[in-house]
Formats: sequence, structure tokens, C-alpha cells
Amino acid sequence: EVQLVESGGGLVQPGGSLRLSCVASGFTFNSYWMGWVRQAPGKGLEWVANINQDGTEKVYVDSVKGRFAISRDNAKNSLFLQMNSLRAEDTAVYYCARPSLSSGSYFDYWGQGTLVTVSS
Amino acid sequence: IQMTQSPSTLSASVGDRVTITCRASQSISSWLAWYQQKPGKAPKLLIYKASSLESGVPSGFSGSGSGTEFTLTISSLQPDDFATYYCQHYNEYPVTFGQGTKVEIK
Repeated sequence: EVQLVESGGGLVQPGGSLRLSCVASGFTFNSYWMGWVRQAPGKGLEWVANINQDGTEKVYVDSVKGRFAISRDNAKNSLFLQMNSLRAEDTAVYYCARPSLSSGSYFDYWGQGTLVTVSS
Repeated sequence: IQMTQSPSTLSASVGDRVTITCRASQSISSWLAWYQQKPGKAPKLLIYKASSLESGVPSGFSGSGSGTEFTLTISSLQPDDFATYYCQHYNEYPVTFGQGTKVEIK
């Protein structure tokens, strides 16, 4: 059974940093791209970043470029999102999600999400 | 690429046939997915490549369309289907989602 379990969310002040983690199980982690999708309270879904199988290719939404960094540790079946210079508009539930292997970047499995609140 | 869903909210009864529309601001071929999300839960993939049903998803769900216009149809609304539905294109980066359609009980 595919499982994605996020952790690391919490309350942080504007301008602060936070590192999210996602531990994967139930599939061959190093065969898949991985990604993060977020959802502000009461709002829709926004893709944040994807990373390829060996971590050499990373793609970001414009609003987080230069502030967020996606990475992975295939030995530990783990995905990370380092978030710096956080803003109030980054407040959201952050989901770890697995892009489908077949084609393109739609997400066939999602974690339960971790809440990040940016507030003073 | 902007994705626009209509309607934003839909009131329907159990047994109704329901159709949700998603329009892309430019052609995305068939690179479109549909998700269902219930309150406090992660999205669940329903449809990919515009019309392919994800494994385990009830056959009452179907998708159609190509280019810029797409539809998600629920043939006979079940109590478990009351939720919010999102379309997502994956034609190119950044992938983007529609704003969502909430299907509520009439």
C-alpha cells in the first residue's frame, strides 16, 4: 500500500524558515518524480514544486522560486521542502504527492498534509 | 495556463446526473486530470488523460473533452459523492488547478 506521511509543519513568524519532510512507503521511491502541492485555508490547490528521481531536476512555481528548495534522500525514502523567507501567503496545508509514472505530472497518491501557519 | 471551472457550486440530489465543466486558457490536448476532495482530506485522483478512469474509482464517474473544454460527469450522484472537485492540467509547468466545484446536497 502506497503511503506518504508528511511532518514538520507548524507556526512560524514572517521571514522565518521551516523544513517539511515526507516519508514514502509501499512503492519504489527512487523510480518516481515527487512533488509538493499546497492549499491555503478555504482555498483551492496550488502546485509548489517537483523533483526528478535522482534529484538533478527541480521545478518550482514562480511564487516560491528563490525561497523554497525541494530535495530528496532516496536511501531514506524521503522528500523534503526547505522553506525560507516565509510570508503570510505561504500559510497552507502542504501535501506531499506522487506524480504518476505513466506520463505527465498528475498526482496519483497524496499524503494527509501538514499545516504551515506564517503569522506574528 | 489558467483553468476555469463552472459552476463554482452545484446543488443536486442523490440520483441526479451531474456535469462539471473545466476550460483551459489554451489548448492542453488531453493532459487533464480530475480530483475529488472531501473536507479535511487529501485530494483523490479520479480521472487522468481527460477520460481515463483511475483504478478503483466507481464507473459512475467519467471524463471527456480535449483541447480547451473538458467535462466531468457523475452519472447518478451517490451520498459519498458530495465533495469538491478540481481539474488540473499537466500540459506543461507550472501545472495548475481549477478553482474547484463544490457539489452539495439540494
